[in-house]
Amino acid sequence: DTEVTQTPKHLVMGMTNKKSLKCEQHMGHRAMYWYKQKAKKPPELMFVYSYEKLSINESVPSRFSPECPNSSLLNLHLHALQPEDSALYLCASSQVVGASGANVLTFGAGSRLTVL
Amino acid sequence: GENVEQHPSTLSVQEGDSAVIKCTYSDSASNYFPWYKQELGKRPQLIIDIRSNVGEKKDQRIAVTLNKTAKHFSLHITETQPEDSAVYFCAARPSGSARQLTFGSGTQLTVLP
Repeated sequence: DTEVTQTPKHLVMGMTNKKSLKCEQHMGHRAMYWYKQKAKKPPELMFVYSYEKLSINESVPSRFSPECPNSSLLNLHLHALQPEDSALYLCASSQVVGASGANVLTFGAGSRLTVL
Repeated sequence: GENVEQHPSTLSVQEGDSAVIKCTYSDSASNYFPWYKQELGKRPQLIIDIRSNVGEKKDQRIAVTLNKTAKHFSLHITETQPEDSAVYFCAARPSGSARQLTFGSGTQLTVLP
């Protein structure tokens, strides 16, 4: 399996809802990432997990809460979001974090979030 | 931190012509430079990458060149086809960086039939 799988593909939620995005990989990668992408813009890093521990939070608002239950799974819990949070949320994984050699980032297909 | 600038932001070429996209980076410690292609509504997909110990790399119609002294790298696509139409992102990663990649702003390539 060489893929990163994200669910759901599409999500519409109100500003008072609580929802979660899920990401799964079975490549044995020990680094997992959440990115946010607006239309025609590059992906913006949100969180980095290394060996199931949060290693980087790019000053993301607390209404986004990441969780890494095990080495294959990554969740993003959403609560009290704003309309400007509407975007494509991409999960990615790589073998490890910070390696000096080849450390290819593999992206999932993304979850397209609309906040009403 | 690393800063990556990408030009042009949009590029239109006739089918069969070549396309060149250029990126510059700021951190001399960067040692890995991938290029991602993102079709509309799809995930970014790695199309080619180059490491700092190599000056050029080719894969069929795609090539990447790296000039470490000038801190710039370029993507070259020859014999363009309509299916090459997409947004292309360059990226750079400083050695040992936990943040993985700093992306350029993207280039919308349109190949006209």
